[in-house]
Amino acid sequence: SQQGEEDPQALSIQEGENATMNCSYKTSINNLQWYRQNSGRGLVHLILIRSNEREKHSGRLRVTLDTSKKSSSLLITASRAADTASYFCATDASLYNFNKFYFGSGTKLNVKP
Amino acid sequence: GAGVSQSPSNKVTEKGKDVELRCDPISGHTALYWYRQSLGQGLEFLIYFQGNSAPDKSGLPSDRFSAERTGGSVSTLTIQRTQQEDSAVYLCASRYVSYNEQFFGPGTRLTVL
Repeated sequence: SQQGEEDPQALSIQEGENATMNCSYKTSINNLQWYRQNSGRGLVHLILIRSNEREKHSGRLRVTLDTSKKSSSLLITASRAADTASYFCATDASLYNFNKFYFGSGTKLNVKP
Repeated sequence: GAGVSQSPSNKVTEKGKDVELRCDPISGHTALYWYRQSLGQGLEFLIYFQGNSAPDKSGLPSDRFSAERTGGSVSTLTIQRTQQEDSAVYLCASRYVSYNEQFFGPGTRLTVL
């Protein structure tokens, strides 16, 4: 069964606001990644956070990881219309299988200009 | 160099026909993945190739699905006797084994009438 599940399923905000998406998973992991997908096509890697990290930043992105709660959040600050996309978290299958990844069902973000 | 490419970009077929989907990974990437994404859904893992090792086929939904990777590079996903429920976007991704980031192709949108 899939590991990551995102919440909310859909999010609509105004340009300039912050967007927060959450991801929960089931088993222990080595790392967690966030990807972005435009128009139902290929995904683009955004950021990776390792299991021994609690927070990571990349430009307007901030990712947190709470391994005790098996959850992660992705914060996009000062959102832009161009951030409109679906966002997925991906976890490796287990501590012992870091070559196989599970993706959640995604959060569909709509940023209104 | 070029990213991951997939062909065809769109495929419309009749129920019962066989289809072949092709993936050209990034040169030097030894890991290759196939995923399926139904409309508005997350990614479903299908199969994973790593170098010369036996592929992980645990995600293939039925024996109508098969995949091969020739010469450690190009991969072909074959669906025999297609069914309407096979309609989806099929995504290929490749990865350099020492890194976790997957690079995705644009996908093949398969429609089974």
